[in-house]
Amino acid sequence: AQSVTQLDSHVSVSEGTPVLLRCNYSSSYSPSLFWYVQHPNKGLQLLLKYTSAATLVKGINGFEAEFKKSETSFHLTKPSAHMSDAAEYFCAFTNAGKSTFGDGTTLTVKP
Amino acid sequence: DVKVTQSSRYLVKRTGEKVFLECVQDMDHENMFWYRQDPGLGLRLIYFSYDVKMKEKGDIPEGYSVSREKKERFSLILESASTNQTSMYLCASSFRGRFNEQFFGPGTRLTVL
Repeated sequence: AQSVTQLDSHVSVSEGTPVLLRCNYSSSYSPSLFWYVQHPNKGLQLLLKYTSAATLVKGINGFEAEFKKSETSFHLTKPSAHMSDAAEYFCAFTNAGKSTFGDGTTLTVKP
Repeated sequence: DVKVTQSSRYLVKRTGEKVFLECVQDMDHENMFWYRQDPGLGLRLIYFSYDVKMKEKGDIPEGYSVSREKKERFSLILESASTNQTSMYLCASSFRGRFNEQFFGPGTRLTVL
């Protein structure tokens, strides 16, 4: 069975400092992995996706993620946080058209 | 731009009422999904559909049913609403294929009194 674990339920950073949101997956299949962002009272929006073409994936708003098969990880990073990055972030694993989502990480950005 | 719309942003219903949540997408996506989102539990899949008149149970189908009579529309039905169904409901759609991301609607916050 596939599963996704987001290792931190809350992450707090100062504006201008790096962001790291951690995601580990478990699957016997070659995974397709996604990061989504949800701003308050909005639906989820795709940040980036891993489709096996390249292990370092660049997304929108300066985010990127690196797929590491040996560590079964797909951590999301951004070099410099902006106030507008404050939101909830979800890692997801997709197989046969169905997605399994992590429990989410709430990112707080302090001025 | 892909658009996924949901019929209501906020809904308040009474225990025992039959509740319909509607979702419409305009991108000719084959797949459509209904999730509920609760604090600390992430998104949990209720039902999904990969074609008209087709449906599959997700992880938490109990107390819910769905209908997909047209490709663009996917309805979630609470046969007899209960207070533990108070939640945020999110609809999503996608093209068929494992690398295709889902596009989400804005959500319906349902309160059952």
